[in-house]
Amino acid sequence: SAVISQKPSRDICQRGTSLTIQCQVDSQVTMMFWYRQQPGQSLTLIATANQGSEATYESGFVIDKFPISRPNLTFSTLTVSNMSPEDSSIYLCSVGTGMNTEAFFGQGTRLTVV
Amino acid sequence: AQKVTQAQTEISVVEKEDVTLDCVYETRDTTYYLFWYKQPPSGELVFLIRRNSFDEQNEISGRYSWNFQKSTSSFNFTITASQVVDSAVYFCALSEAGLLQGAQKLVFGQGTRLTINP
Repeated sequence: SAVISQKPSRDICQRGTSLTIQCQVDSQVTMMFWYRQQPGQSLTLIATANQGSEATYESGFVIDKFPISRPNLTFSTLTVSNMSPEDSSIYLCSVGTGMNTEAFFGQGTRLTVV
Repeated sequence: AQKVTQAQTEISVVEKEDVTLDCVYETRDTTYYLFWYKQPPSGELVFLIRRNSFDEQNEISGRYSWNFQKSTSSFNFTITASQVVDSAVYFCALSEAGLLQGAQKLVFGQGTRLTINP
């Protein structure tokens, strides 16, 4: 199993600013995933964070808006840049620890942009 | 491309009723995984079940049961004798069976908001 600690749990930010979300895992994992859940919507994958290489972004998400760091096998950050109210969402990080396990999720970061 | 459809946006039942949440998926992969997650109002995702595509055996866990039918690409979830605490949004999800360990990138359905009334 994996225990994921995500910070901050929530924040209210001014438009035009940036917020960095941290995700810490209690074990080494190859891949970490970042998801966005807009209000009342499902989860959508933003990107896959690979240690030692650039993140892989899904269609509709770009590095300039959502830069990701993955300095080691237990940690990753997602930055939401130049925020607008449309960025108000829950952001979740996720890991998988093996071929026969669930996908583990952090508790999420609830972001409100005003 | 992979796709998960949860046609029921909202369901409302009275406590103790049985309720089934539908999930239909699309994938070209021959090996894949299916998941159900519960999201209570607090927002965290609670893992319920993971099913491999080669294992079509239905599963029962207490009041929860899952019916996996590969022929119809469905993975339905039934709650028996529902309780108020079952009220939440339920997500069905699909991932490919990646060759890389831990590469579980999920495609989620739109979710079904289940309300259990006392």
